[in-house]
Amino acid sequence: DVKVTQSSRYLVKRTGEKVFLECVQDMDHENMFWYRQDPGLGLRLIYFSYDVKMKEKGDIPEGYSVSREKKERFSLILESASTNQTSMYLCASSFSAPNYEQYFGPGTRLTVT
Amino acid sequence: GESVGLHLPTLSVQEGDNSIINCAYSNSASDYFIWYKQESGKGPQFIIDIRSNMDKRQGQRVTVLLNKTVKHLSLQIAATQPGDSAVYFCAVIGGSYIPTFGRGTSLIVHP
Repeated sequence: DVKVTQSSRYLVKRTGEKVFLECVQDMDHENMFWYRQDPGLGLRLIYFSYDVKMKEKGDIPEGYSVSREKKERFSLILESASTNQTSMYLCASSFSAPNYEQYFGPGTRLTVT
Repeated sequence: GESVGLHLPTLSVQEGDNSIINCAYSNSASDYFIWYKQESGKGPQFIIDIRSNMDKRQGQRVTVLLNKTVKHLSLQIAATQPGDSAVYFCAVIGGSYIPTFGRGTSLIVHP
């Protein structure tokens, strides 16, 4: 079974803190993705990576950065957390060939106070 | 770019009924379509997919129908059960590995 794991299910951080969310996949997928999910807005792509050390901006990259030092691991970084970054964060991975489904992690519910 | 819409935010059905969840997409070059199920507190899980060279695909109690003429796809769940209660998303891919997601339909199954 494909497994995508995320470092935390729930996180509570203060405004201005640096926040790290980690994602690990065990299927040797080339692509990894970070989304945020908010009620009524669906899934919005923050960043994705198609190879180690490679990254591309998604639809809403402002306030976020990412790191991919190893193929199986993709980190999302909130440099200075703000209350409008309170959300559910989902990591996903997939093969690089076109038209393959994504596999999702369980999500991290982040609350910034 | 692609946009995916035409969804009901919520669909309520009785246990045992058939459920139909719809999606519309805008890009006629889209060629791969996926339905995901997201249960409360979990990430989306793959249910079924269909490629543009097909118009129907069946799984266990689920059927996906694709109408490329009107750019519409649907997910049919037969004999809906309480365990089917979840949010259902369609995802549309057009030759890349980055999907465009619909906003989801919350399926509520009443016993």
